[in-house]
Amino acid sequence: EAGVTQSPTHLIKTRGQQATLRCSPISGHTSVYWYQQALGLGLQFLLWYDEGEERNRGNFPPRFSGRQFPNYSSELNVNALELEDSALYLCASSSRDTLWDGEQYFGPGTRLTVT
Amino acid sequence: KQEVTQIPAALSVPEGENLVLNCSFTDSAIYNLQWFRQDPGKGLTSLLLIQSSQREQTSGRLNASLDKSSGRSTLYIAASQPGDSATYLCAVSNYGGATNKLIFGTGTLLAVQP
Repeated sequence: EAGVTQSPTHLIKTRGQQATLRCSPISGHTSVYWYQQALGLGLQFLLWYDEGEERNRGNFPPRFSGRQFPNYSSELNVNALELEDSALYLCASSSRDTLWDGEQYFGPGTRLTVT
Repeated sequence: KQEVTQIPAALSVPEGENLVLNCSFTDSAIYNLQWFRQDPGKGLTSLLLIQSSQREQTSGRLNASLDKSSGRSTLYIAASQPGDSATYLCAVSNYGGATNKLIFGTGTLLAVQP
């Protein structure tokens, strides 16, 4: 069974540009989560999508947004990039059966560098 | 507001030693607690998940315990190997409300010397 996949692996952008990160969940999983791991700040929750709807978001500005497609894959968009957006962005997925058990399966991440 | 703390921040041990990593959390109303491993620059690998009703979980050389009332969890690694070198993260999922997010500790960087 394929795990959570993310693309691209690395992304280099200039301040002020937009970045788009993609995530494909494990087959059969309906929930997708996004986390940011910035140097010195640890892993922080960004967004949760379930069944195509945004269910919850962390303490991040509105320029962080995303969506979930009918096939449950997801896209994270970061507009007006700032230097402090440089981080490893991790995507995770969970199934409807274990939604409230909290078990999430993580992808390898996208390293975003803003120069 | 839930806060998760891990000590020590870094640990270096010789191969073969048994070791304990600690995780503490401030709000005992949790659904579960997970331990993850992260290799440098990589994603997270789930090691063990303990439901709030459980006291411990075991997988191979790993044993994780949970004491909700005191807000503590430990990850015990037996007979450590150089391949165990990584950052270990604990994360809790809080009870109540449609949050379903994991709150992570800052991690313990483990180095096992051959």
